Amino acid sequence: QKEVEQDPGPLSVPEGAIVSLNCTYSNSAFQYFMWYRQYSRKGPELLMYTYSSGNKEDGRFTAQVDKSSKYISLFIRDSQPSDSATYLCAMSDQGNQGGKLIFGQGTELSVKP
Amino acid sequence: DGGITQSPKYLFRKEGQNVTLSCEQNLNHDAMYWYRQDPGQGLRLIYYSQIVNDFQKGDIAEGYSVSREKKESFPLTVTSAQKNPTAFYLCASSPLNEKLFFGSGTQLSVL
Repeated sequence: QKEVEQDPGPLSVPEGAIVSLNCTYSNSAFQYFMWYRQYSRKGPELLMYTYSSGNKEDGRFTAQVDKSSKYISLFIRDSQPSDSATYLCAMSDQGNQGGKLIFGQGTELSVKP
Repeated sequence: DGGITQSPKYLFRKEGQNVTLSCEQNLNHDAMYWYRQDPGQGLRLIYYSQIVNDFQKGDIAEGYSVSREKKESFPLTVTSAQKNPTAFYLCASSPLNEKLFFGSGTQLSVL
């Protein structure tokens, strides 16, 4: 079993839909949770960062962490065609966002106009 | 114009050949990393370095080598011992204990 599991998709939604992206994990020591967005053949960019359990909102994006269920989610409201990308979850048990991250497989999202 | 520059964008390797991927950053970051990305497998850490002249193996270091002679540069050599080198290679840098900044990647393929 992989430490971090993420549904690879692809996921296709119409413009304006609410998108839910999810990851499950097995290591209860993970405390730091991130979502990266990666456009095709580009480097990933950090979208959201959350420490421990709870919610964090940034514009149309909301990240949720449920440590009791070992489950994290990223919600995208009013999705736009420009949101079409691969979304990677990442997590760490160390007190930083540095290189010792464990990544999910990535979910490919397509938002249709 | 600050950032991380990876070159080349596309690289082809012949059997038994070593190839070197370049990564340069002008962000004055202490730490640099190499990741490998395969379809359906996310990113896996190959090597990382937190200071000049020092580096550590990541999860999949076999068949790869690195050097860190300058703070700005962290080249990755894919040796002939790496039997399945075809992948998208990503370099990243960060200030110590801070978030990662990624380059735009190098696609390596075997001829």
